[in-house]
Amino acid sequence: ETGVTQTPRHLVMGMTNKKSLKCEQHLGHNAMYWYKQSAKKPLELMFVYSLEERVENNSVPSRFSPECPNSSHLFLHLHTLQPEDSALYLCASSPTGTAVFDTGELFFGEGSRLTVL
Amino acid sequence: DAKTTQPPSMDCAEGRAANLPCNHSTISGNEYVYWYRQIHSQGPQYIIHGLKNNETNEMASLIITEDRKSSTLILPHATLRDTAVYYCIVRVGRAAGNKLTFGGGTRVLVKP
Repeated sequence: ETGVTQTPRHLVMGMTNKKSLKCEQHLGHNAMYWYKQSAKKPLELMFVYSLEERVENNSVPSRFSPECPNSSHLFLHLHTLQPEDSALYLCASSPTGTAVFDTGELFFGEGSRLTVL
Repeated sequence: DAKTTQPPSMDCAEGRAANLPCNHSTISGNEYVYWYRQIHSQGPQYIIHGLKNNETNEMASLIITEDRKSSTLILPHATLRDTAVYYCIVRVGRAAGNKLTFGGGTRVLVKP
């Protein structure tokens, strides 16, 4: 139990569907992240939110749309995905870089495994 | 962030120490060395980090060479549950957003 909860844990969707992944953290952190892990590839950083503002967008296609309504919640909205988007999507949180207690540690959720048919 | 080089895989015997090497020859003075591990189909888990001094916690020890160009993660008494992919990452300690860039890691198999 890391304090970061992701739902759903498994999702199967068609290429024309619209779905969302949800991440919630109970750690009082101010930064949240989405990572993608495809089979046999390293984790890829997708988006970073710090204090609810997007500070990083690593050339992610527009069919992935993040939303951070508050510092505890992060969503990844999915629409018209491709089969190659099938992957494990990981959410993480951390204190922001200015906190004196910030060790730079990221706390990851268990991930949402997405299959696009 | 500086790039790291790790062996792709290694085996170790249960109950023995596991020594995981990492090369980071281009590390900058303000970059920390972090270690994470990822057990199959779970999210990565923080293990330890350091700047230039050796560090120890309940999970592992981190030995950083004096020139900081390489480091070794030591699992003192490996158990079967330590089977995982171990990632060595170097990054600026308190950069905004605290992003981590993962490489391929070392796949560690602990054998009975």
